Amino acid sequence: GQNIDQPTEMTATEGAIVQINCTYQTSGFNGLFWYQQHAGEAPTFLSYNVLDGLEEKGRFSSFLSRSKGYSYLLLKELQMKDSASYLCAVRERRELIFGTGTRLQVFP
Amino acid sequence: GAVVSQHPSWVICKSGTSVKIECRSLDFQATTMFWYRQFPKQSLMLMATSNEGSKATYEQGVEKDKFLINHASLTLSTLTVTSAHPEDSSFYICSARGGAGGSSYEQYFGPGTRLTVT
Repeated sequence: GQNIDQPTEMTATEGAIVQINCTYQTSGFNGLFWYQQHAGEAPTFLSYNVLDGLEEKGRFSSFLSRSKGYSYLLLKELQMKDSASYLCAVRERRELIFGTGTRLQVFP
Repeated sequence: GAVVSQHPSWVICKSGTSVKIECRSLDFQATTMFWYRQFPKQSLMLMATSNEGSKATYEQGVEKDKFLINHASLTLSTLTVTSAHPEDSSFYICSARGGAGGSSYEQYFGPGTRLTVT
């Protein structure tokens, strides 16, 4: 079966660093994606990992360990506009299977 | 970059009627399109996957006779919610992947359609 878990909610302070974890158990694996979604809007692509290691992209970094079925998204220098839901998604074959999503709230 | 549009962005319909939602890839050919449903404060749930010119593959628990998917061309897929009921009220999001003009791994999402059934 498929199981992709994330913390439901997180809070952080503006300017801080936050790490959002994702663990997965899927029947196939063709890459792991992180998306940001603001309320009422479609998800927007943040990062993609298919090999183990860290991918850095500005204030956002994503890490993958395939042997552990584990990924995290690291957000640095948090801004108020980073308040959103962050979705971890695994591509099993062609389709993306989404995790439960993490609602992040950034406080001044 | 690759753009996916959806129409309408929101729709209100009466119980028992049918609603069609269009999903278009504007600047690339989408060999595969996906339809997701999202209830408030929940994540995206995959409903079905479709390839151009072939029948859609539905996820377990999704009624194919209720949610009709047509992927008639490489740039257009439609989802028709037949005999809609209030419990079908949700945010429907399409996504497209593949083909010239789009990245080989990224999946591009449409802006979503909010359906409210009264």
